[in-house]
Amino acid sequence: DAKTTQPNSMESNEEEPVHLPCNHSTISGTDYIHWYRQLPSQGPEYVIHGLTSNVNNRMASLAIAEDRKSSTLILHRATLRDAAVYYCILRDMGGSEKLVFGKGTKLTVNP
Amino acid sequence: NAGVMQNPRHLVRRRGQEARLRCSPMKGHSHVYWYRQLPEEGLKFMVYLQKENIIDESGMPKERFSAEFPKEGPSILRIQQVVRGDSAAYFCASSPSRGLYNEQFFGPGTRLTVL
Repeated sequence: DAKTTQPNSMESNEEEPVHLPCNHSTISGTDYIHWYRQLPSQGPEYVIHGLTSNVNNRMASLAIAEDRKSSTLILHRATLRDAAVYYCILRDMGGSEKLVFGKGTKLTVNP
Repeated sequence: NAGVMQNPRHLVRRRGQEARLRCSPMKGHSHVYWYRQLPEEGLKFMVYLQKENIIDESGMPKERFSAEFPKEGPSILRIQQVVRGDSAAYFCASSPSRGLYNEQFFGPGTRLTVL
């Protein structure tokens, strides 16, 4: 599985935008970029995924670099409930169904 | 539509006992995945099952661990003769089918403590 690199931790203030980076320099043409997050004492939850184009949904936006070697998850207005560990995961189109979680980025949101 | 349900939420066992963890997938989902999260570590895939079949067990320890997903009833993760190193949070996820486009929906987890 292609590897991703994320900062260990980030901090934000409530109601401000948050940009969570992910590097995946060895990404292949068939890898999709998925983001999950895990709130304290809960199971992970899906956030968003994309291949080449930027994506938006009700939770977040995903900005993918033109060379696909990096991506950024954008939370437009952070709330206290967004405090979680965010995982950037590559999934191969023809590969296994399993999710390979790294260490993720622990996001702290200050009131 | 109820989410993925896991029980028990907390389980305490003494060394050498058996632990049985149950997972009821979301309605209409026939694919189940088990993950383990050791203290202060990330989640690790264990096994992927479809009704009555084990599809991928590449993450399962070779001994003492088994999983099943019968035609009727929940998926069961069974750990025989538990040891302290089995203490972890065990998460189950489900999806309606295979494929990248299907997100995995996770349950709240079972926290196993081995004394």
